[in-house]
Amino acid sequence: DTGVSQNPRHKITKRGQNVTFRCDPISEHNRLYWYRQTLGQGPEFLTYFQNEAQLEKSRLLSDRFSAERPKGSFSTLEIQRTEQGDSAMYLCASSPTRQGVGTEAFFGQGTRLTVV
Amino acid sequence: AQSVTQLDSHVSVSEGTPVLLRCNYSSSYSPSLFWYVQHPNKGLQLLLKYTSAATLVKGINGFEAEFKKSETSFHLTKPSAHMSDAAEYFCVVTAGRGDTGRRALTFGSGTRLQVQP
Repeated sequence: DTGVSQNPRHKITKRGQNVTFRCDPISEHNRLYWYRQTLGQGPEFLTYFQNEAQLEKSRLLSDRFSAERPKGSFSTLEIQRTEQGDSAMYLCASSPTRQGVGTEAFFGQGTRLTVV
Repeated sequence: AQSVTQLDSHVSVSEGTPVLLRCNYSSSYSPSLFWYVQHPNKGLQLLLKYTSAATLVKGINGFEAEFKKSETSFHLTKPSAHMSDAAEYFCVVTAGRGDTGRRALTFGSGTRLQVQP
């Protein structure tokens, strides 16, 4: 399967623990995005990378959240000192760069985080 | 800034009847608009997109949507529903045309489509 891959698919953690999620984008895609989706809502943008550069961050991305894409390939999203409000589906997407046209984002299946 | 309102949280249709999922948007700039579908335990999949060409956009699986600037709407339709269409549908906007990959997508809250046999 050459789609966007996210690991783990599910994570249950105790409040106050740190968690890290991984996203492997489609190999030729240089853009990578993280979104968060809570129950009954649409996904909300968190952050965006072009290659290894983090170009945009949402206000939703508090200082407990950090994302990296060290070599412009896979990305990690870390949440420190998790809170129950962090429980959500974390979605990763990637897209290619094409001049002058709208480019679609390809989404992974997500990592479902439950903070107990 | 941009926003999306999906006017129905749930829509139920019978198999073989038409589908209409309603979406209104607001955007400070000429928008690009998308519809994504989310099946249980599957990733979001693009159904169709409007980026500045024809206002009637055809997508996969027989879906289409019409961009109406005067009504700020981008409703999704299908002439005949199939059981496999049952899923969550999201209307999505991003400000501006051209290289939309540089901008965050703004999703609506979703419409759950049920298809009755």
